[in-house]
Amino acid sequence: GQNIDQPTEMTATEGAIVQINCTYQTSGFNGLFWYQQHAGEAPTFLSYNVLDGLEEKGRFSSFLSRSKGYSYLLLKELQMKDSASYLCAVKDSNYQLIWGAGTKLIIKP
Amino acid sequence: NAGVTQTPKFRVLKTGQSMTLLCAQDMNHEYMYWYRQDPGMGLRLIHYSVGEGTTAKGEVPDGYNVSRLKKQNFLLGLESAAPSQTSVYFCASSDPGTGETGELFFGEGSRLTVL
Repeated sequence: GQNIDQPTEMTATEGAIVQINCTYQTSGFNGLFWYQQHAGEAPTFLSYNVLDGLEEKGRFSSFLSRSKGYSYLLLKELQMKDSASYLCAVKDSNYQLIWGAGTKLIIKP
Repeated sequence: NAGVTQTPKFRVLKTGQSMTLLCAQDMNHEYMYWYRQDPGMGLRLIHYSVGEGTTAKGEVPDGYNVSRLKKQNFLLGLESAAPSQTSVYFCASSDPGTGETGELFFGEGSRLTVL
């Protein structure tokens, strides 16, 4: 079966750095997405990786290793507004998105 | 630019009642999707459409029907609601043909409770 694993919850301190991991086992791979979802709101697109390596976008970076079935989202200079759930999703060989259950990130002052 | 709009935002149904959720997008996207989101689980695809007049089943289609009569609209119907259909429903659209990432744009969600 297809599976996406992420930690259920993480806590970090304002101003610090946090890394959210995502491991996947899917039938094929055509890209990996990270979305942010604030409580009670819709998911919004953060990043997309299709090749190995690091993609940087401001305070957020996303890394992919296809051989290891692994990605992480790195958030720097954490702000209170970064408190949200972070969803990892993989596009499989049929171009269907397989979603992880999400990681709830709690930022403390 | 409204993006993806869902109506209604909230609804309470009794078991056996029927209802329709409406999704409208103004981005001229070809692809549209209906997902449900339940606590502790990833988004699960109910049905999707790759163009006007076409629909296809996703991961959890049972108990739901859909129609895509117009490119901008995607309707999700519950013919006989069951408590197991209590969930938050998200509509999304995308346009992979642009050569971009094919990222999904989501509506604000519709919270449905079936008693």
